[in-house]
Amino acid sequence: AQKVTQAQTEISVVEKEDVTLDCVYETRDTTYYLFWYKQPPSGELVFLIRRNSFDEQNEISGRYSWNFQKSTSSFNFTITASQVVDSAVYFCALSGARTGKLIFGQGTTLQVKP
Amino acid sequence: GAGVSQSPSNKVTEKGKDVELRCDPISGHTALYWYRQSLGQGLEFLIYFQGNSAPDKSGLPSDRFSAERTGGSVSTLTIQRTQQEDSAVYLCASSSRGHYGYTFGSGTRLTVV
Repeated sequence: AQKVTQAQTEISVVEKEDVTLDCVYETRDTTYYLFWYKQPPSGELVFLIRRNSFDEQNEISGRYSWNFQKSTSSFNFTITASQVVDSAVYFCALSGARTGKLIFGQGTTLQVKP
Repeated sequence: GAGVSQSPSNKVTEKGKDVELRCDPISGHTALYWYRQSLGQGLEFLIYFQGNSAPDKSGLPSDRFSAERTGGSVSTLTIQRTQQEDSAVYLCASSSRGHYGYTFGSGTRLTVV
C-alpha cells in the first residue's frame, strides 16, 4: 500500500525565517513519483515540483528547495526567507509507476506572520 | 480551454437529493481524476479515468457515488441521495502524461443541508 505522512499539521513562523515541511512516504514500487502542491486560501492546487524515484538530486528554485532521500523515504521541502505570501496549505503526494493516481498527505498549514 | 474547468463552483443541495458535478479537462489530456477534500482534510482519491481503459473506482466511498467520462473528455461525478457527510470540495484534475504533471480545477464546493 502507498502512504504519505506529513507529521506537521500546522507551522507558524515569522517572515524571513526559514521553514522545512516534512514528508515521509511508503511504497513498494521501485519506480514512483513524488510531488509537492501548494493550496493558497483561494483553494486552487498549485503544482510546485515533481521528482522521480531515480533522481535523488536536490533541487532549488528560488527560495524553495527540496531534499529527497530514498534511504529515509523522505521528500522534505524548505522555504528560505519565508514571506507572508507563502502562507498556504502544502501537500506532499506520491504516485506509482503503474497508475497516475496521486496519494496525498494530510497537508501542512503554514502561516507566515509579518 | 486553458485549464481544467469545473461546474458549478458552488452547490447547495438538500439531503436526499441527487447532484451532478461536471469536469471539463484540458483538451487532449487522456487521464482524468476526481478527488474529494473535506473541511480541514487532505485530498481523498475517488476515481481515475485513463483513455479507454476501465476506470479505477477504488476510491469511491459508497455505491451512491458514480462517475462517467464521455468521449474521453468531459466527466460527470454523480452523488445519489446525498448525505451531510458528502459536504466537501470536489476537485478534478487532468493529465497528458500521468506523472509529468496534473492540472487541477478550482473545485466544486458541495454543501448538503
